[in-house]
Amino acid sequence: DSGVTQTPKHLITATGQRVTLRCSPRSGDLSVYWYQQSLDQGLQFLIQYYNGEERAKGNILERFSAQQFPDLHSELNLSSLELGDSALYFCASSVDLQVANYGYTFGSGTRLTVV
Amino acid sequence: DAKTTQPPSMDCAEGRAANLPCNHSTISGNEYVYWYRQIHSQGPQYIIHGLKNNETNEMASLIITEDRKSSTLILPHATLRDTAVYYCIVRPTYSSASKIIFGSGTRLSIRP
Repeated sequence: DSGVTQTPKHLITATGQRVTLRCSPRSGDLSVYWYQQSLDQGLQFLIQYYNGEERAKGNILERFSAQQFPDLHSELNLSSLELGDSALYFCASSVDLQVANYGYTFGSGTRLTVV
Repeated sequence: DAKTTQPPSMDCAEGRAANLPCNHSTISGNEYVYWYRQIHSQGPQYIIHGLKNNETNEMASLIITEDRKSSTLILPHATLRDTAVYYCIVRPTYSSASKIIFGSGTRLSIRP
């Protein structure tokens, strides 16, 4: 157990639907990062939050949004889902905006299947 | 962030040392070399990092060349559980843009 909790572990939904993925960072970590990994593809950085504020954006679609709450957990919202959104979604956390020497701690991911 | 180049795949016999190379010829003076690995569909796992000196921990050793343009991750006694994709990343430890950008990595296969 890495200390980063992602729920749900698996999610199957239909095209056009909206889902919310949840991430609880490791205790004491203020930064949360979201990554998408499609089948046999690399890890694509989506977005980063630090202590409730958005800090960096990657290749995140306009249909996707995220937020970090006062208790530091984060949610990634995916709407108008398409088949191509099927992927593993990973959350990672770190101590603060300036990544500690050990880098990130990743969760075990949410596997989203859009049918 | 500096770009890294890794071989797409490697294999190693169980019990032998696995040596994974990484080229990072454009690395800057304030950039560290980090290694992560991803075991099939699991979240990436931090392995080790270094600046210019060789580093060792319970998982692996990191050898960085004197000019810092390349490095080698060494798994001293590879086991089947070390089969994974290994990512070499270079980035400043302290940066306002702290996201880690993953490349394609090296897919390491350990054969019995």
